[in-house]
Amino acid sequence: EVQMVESGGGLVQPGGSLRLSCAASGFRVSANYMSWVRQAPGKGLECVSVIYSGGRTYYAESVEGRFTISRDNSKNTLYLQMNSLRAEDTALYYCVRSQQLAPIDYWGQGTLVTVSS
Amino acid sequence: DIQMTQSPSTLSASVGDRVTITCRASQSISSWLAWYQQKPGKPPKLLIYRASSLESGAPSRFSGSGSGTEFTLTISSLQPDDFATYYCQQYTNFSPWTFGQGTKVEIK
Repeated sequence: EVQMVESGGGLVQPGGSLRLSCAASGFRVSANYMSWVRQAPGKGLECVSVIYSGGRTYYAESVEGRFTISRDNSKNTLYLQMNSLRAEDTALYYCVRSQQLAPIDYWGQGTLVTVSS
Repeated sequence: DIQMTQSPSTLSASVGDRVTITCRASQSISSWLAWYQQKPGKPPKLLIYRASSLESGAPSRFSGSGSGTEFTLTISSLQPDDFATYYCQQYTNFSPWTFGQGTKVEIK
């Protein structure tokens, strides 16, 4: 059974850092496109970062230079290191799975990041 | 990046109504389009992929159509369980994924 469990969210001050984790089971993180999709309170969906199966990465312009996506194949876990956090980064962050030319087929339950003083 | 524009933003309808949501892409995406349903406090759930293919387990009252830049999601007969927010998403391999802004289907 495919499962993805996010952790690491919380309350952080502007300028602070957080590292999100997504522990996957039932499939190999390294063999899939793994992404972080966020949803600000009451708002829509935004793909902030992707790590492709070949290792290439993508970042939305809004987080480029501040966020880093990575994966640990031995732990089958996806990460998102978030630095220089801003109020506008406040959102529920979902770990999601996909493939090339395929929709998102699995979503985690999300971890909430709140950036506030 | 490809921009996805959904309309309407909010839709009020009654049980049994036929409902149509439109999604337009800023450039051609062939049929690389998905539709998701999201209920409060839950992650989105895939309904339609490749513009018109029904995801396994999704009710047959949902259907999708279109190609290129214009797409529609149709609910043939709205059921109480269908009141939710719907998002389109393009997933071409020449542009980062982008989502429409969402359409909230409310009870009339």
